[in-house]
Amino acid sequence: EIVLTQSPGTLSLSPGERATLSCRASQSISSSYLAWYQQKPGQAPRFLIYSASNRATGVPDRFSGSGSGTDFTLTISRLEPEDFAVYYCQHFGNSPSYTFGQGTNLEIK
Amino acid sequence: EVQLVESGGGLVEQGGSLRLACAASGLTFSKAWMNWVRQAPGKGLEWVGRIKSKPDGGTPDYAAPVKDRFTISRDDSKNTVYLQMNSLKTEDTAVYYCVWSGYYYRFDSWGQGTLVTVSA
Repeated sequence: EIVLTQSPGTLSLSPGERATLSCRASQSISSSYLAWYQQKPGQAPRFLIYSASNRATGVPDRFSGSGSGTDFTLTISRLEPEDFAVYYCQHFGNSPSYTFGQGTNLEIK
Repeated sequence: EVQLVESGGGLVEQGGSLRLACAASGLTFSKAWMNWVRQAPGKGLEWVGRIKSKPDGGTPDYAAPVKDRFTISRDDSKNTVYLQMNSLKTEDTAVYYCVWSGYYYRFDSWGQGTLVTVSA
């Protein structure tokens, strides 16, 4: 089973700054099978990115995804107050086995 | 707009059973692949299982921790997917989310979740 490791665990930044969140897979995966989600306290997760780099409908273009192989990145170009949340990456594996990373908590500095 | 509304959560004793339901609207449910994802208090997300649409076989698949204890089924006439949970353990305590896959390899829409608490 593929293990996804997200870093850092917590990222403290200020509005207007750039955020870079990492998701590393335990072995090489197809970028087609990598997605990202945002979760705010007390809310359900929200779908952000599919196939590593494609934004879901309605997601602002300050959110971008990139990467290949074992290393994937979610970048938020200029943080807005509503962007502070927990972010999860997800891999759609065979069998099926749909694993999530442990999450990165993006907090206001 | 896709809406997913879960129900059936609550408090149950270890070893007991519970059935969750998820009513869907705003999508062609008969063609939808549906998932269940859970989140233990203060923890991350864990995929529980999914059921394919009947045109794609209608078969369920499960994560290892729940296989042989949980059963996912669907009633397309009611636009509803179910999660039957048997032999519940304290570690099954979590918020359970119903999730729609609008296409392969993505979880497009999530319900608000329903809390299941398993007491020792």
